[in-house]
Amino acid sequence: QKEVEQNSGPLSVPEGAIASLNCTYSDRVSQSFFWYRQYSGKSPELIMSIYSNGDKEDGRFTAQLNKASQYVSLLIRDSQPSDSATYLCAVRTSGGYNKLIFGAGTRLAVHP
Amino acid sequence: DGGITQSPKYLFRKEGQNVTLSCEQNLNHDAMYWYRQDPGQGLRLIYYSQIVNDFQKGDIAEGYSVSREKKESFPLTVTSAQKNPTAFYLCASSIRLAVSEGYNEQFFGPGTRLTVL
Repeated sequence: QKEVEQNSGPLSVPEGAIASLNCTYSDRVSQSFFWYRQYSGKSPELIMSIYSNGDKEDGRFTAQLNKASQYVSLLIRDSQPSDSATYLCAVRTSGGYNKLIFGAGTRLAVHP
Repeated sequence: DGGITQSPKYLFRKEGQNVTLSCEQNLNHDAMYWYRQDPGQGLRLIYYSQIVNDFQKGDIAEGYSVSREKKESFPLTVTSAQKNPTAFYLCASSIRLAVSEGYNEQFFGPGTRLTVL
């Protein structure tokens, strides 16, 4: 069973701090990794994609990938109350088509 | 505006009824997907489709059916055989189905929340 694991949280951080969200996956041959943000009652919104080891930065967001450790993380710098949401980690599995396996998500709460 | 639309936003179903959820996209994407989200769980794949008149079962297809008569449309029917249909249903699309270079990201519609009365 291919799995994606995330800490459910809530992860509580003060405004302006760095929020660190983590995700581990079981399928060693997974190639591509995605972070989605989901506000309560809304659909997931893609915020970051990564498929090479190392860091990828986009504004206040940095995705980090370590395939040897089967670990992907999302850092949010200068966290704002508007970042409060559930963050879903998704992994494209091996198998020849664009199938994503989703983690259950980590709830982030940024307090003023 | 390019995007994915789903309707209705909220749907109530009585026991024994079939209901159909609409999904339309104008992104010119080949691949479309249906997911189900339950509280505290990750999204689970119901059905997916690469081209018109072709679709495949995902991980939890029992009690659901789909059609793909047009590239832009991928409606999902929740049948009376689905024993626990109350959930948030999400439609997604991507450029193509096959894995290739690049991310081939999936983008989601706004969702339909289905409740069984």
